[in-house]
Amino acid sequence: EAAVTQSPRSKVAVTGGKVTLSCHQTNNHDYMYWYRQDTGHGLRLIHYSYVADSTEKGDIPDGYKASRPSQENFSLILELASLSQTAVYFCASSDWGVSQNTLYFGAGTRLSVL
Amino acid sequence: AQKVTQTQTSISVMEKTTVTMDCVYETQDSSYFLFWYKQTASGEIVFLIRQDSYKKENATVGHYSLNFQKPKSSIGLIITATQIEDSAVYFCAMSAGTGGYKVVFGSGTRLLVSP
Repeated sequence: EAAVTQSPRSKVAVTGGKVTLSCHQTNNHDYMYWYRQDTGHGLRLIHYSYVADSTEKGDIPDGYKASRPSQENFSLILELASLSQTAVYFCASSDWGVSQNTLYFGAGTRLSVL
Repeated sequence: AQKVTQTQTSISVMEKTTVTMDCVYETQDSSYFLFWYKQTASGEIVFLIRQDSYKKENATVGHYSLNFQKPKSSIGLIITATQIEDSAVYFCAMSAGTGGYKVVFGSGTRLLVSP
């Protein structure tokens, strides 16, 4: 069974609208991450969290907010979606103490902003 | 700042041969971890293998092995006896520093294995 579950798997949003991407993990991991994948750019870190009710900015946080209401759940929020935010978004979890930050990924969410 | 660079955009090999994918990294930290991940055609990203910076021995898992050259800040992925299902995009990544919370990825190398 999938240990990191993302929803929705795909979404079409309108420019200027609000988008929320959700991630749920059953790995009992402390760390959770949101990455963005664009063709030719690999994976770029948007936000991450190592404890509930706390989030940290990654390398490309502008235009995104994150929320970690519990250990299991981590959301990515686009308050005002823009065309440039069309991409595939991946959530991941990790356990620093056990596996030295080996990441376990969800299946990804394909977001198209029109 | 951490940086991971993969200069090979794509590689094509014949089945059952050996392939090496290159990766160089930059970090100011003395302790770090290096990873290789595989992204399949379906988009799924899975962890393959890890090298801890303080270990001199190259990591090996199944038909994946690493060529860790610390003085050159290089971590190559070697796949022996390649199979058709090894066709995928391979990402190099690094976690460094106190806590090592951030994991930085390279841009990926696409591998095509032909029969």
